[in-house]
Amino acid sequence: AQTVTQSQPEMSVQEAETVTLSCTYDTSENNYYLFWYKQPPSRQMILVIRQEAYKQQNATENRFSVNFQKAAKSFSLKISDSQLGDTAMYFCAFMKGNFGNEKLTFGTGTRLTIIP
Amino acid sequence: DAEITQSPRHKITETGRQVTLACHQTWNHNNMFWYRQDLGHGLRLIHYSYGVQDTNKGEVSDGYSVSRSNTEDLPLTLESAASSQTSVYFCASSESMNTEAFFGQGTRLTVV
Repeated sequence: AQTVTQSQPEMSVQEAETVTLSCTYDTSENNYYLFWYKQPPSRQMILVIRQEAYKQQNATENRFSVNFQKAAKSFSLKISDSQLGDTAMYFCAFMKGNFGNEKLTFGTGTRLTIIP
Repeated sequence: DAEITQSPRHKITETGRQVTLACHQTWNHNNMFWYRQDLGHGLRLIHYSYGVQDTNKGEVSDGYSVSRSNTEDLPLTLESAASSQTSVYFCASSESMNTEAFFGQGTRLTVV
């Protein structure tokens, strides 16, 4: 079974600063996908970024980027130039990379607060 | 626009009652999932379905059931509600592992 660990329950950072959220996972699979989801106070789950394990290049989406270390089973999220709208719960998630296994395994989340 | 909707958004029920939470998606996705979100646990998988007439148990399935009679709907039933089932419930759907999973707005269920 896969496990996803987020060791930072809460973090806070000043607006415009850069923050990194940590995520480690445990799996025996070689093909898989990793995700970061954002959950603002509205409760809506929003996909922030996605990484395919077979890709060595780290995924980026505007101010959001990941540091994917496959050997270390680490998948951290970096938010640059943080904005007040980034205040949310952030969940790291894992999915096996074969059809018929599209269910997600989530970490416990990190509550991020951006301070004005 | 295609969407995934859950109803109700909030519900209070009594211990022992049967409760059904609705999930309806218009994406025509084959994959549908139910998760519960609890503080300190993140989201945990309750049940999931990969197509009509297909249902599977997740890691926290005890006390819950689902049925998939069509592509659009995956209702979640609590057979006999317990206080331990007080939680926020999310439904999600996806086309395949190569595409994004879309989540509903969640249902906050309180069992008293």
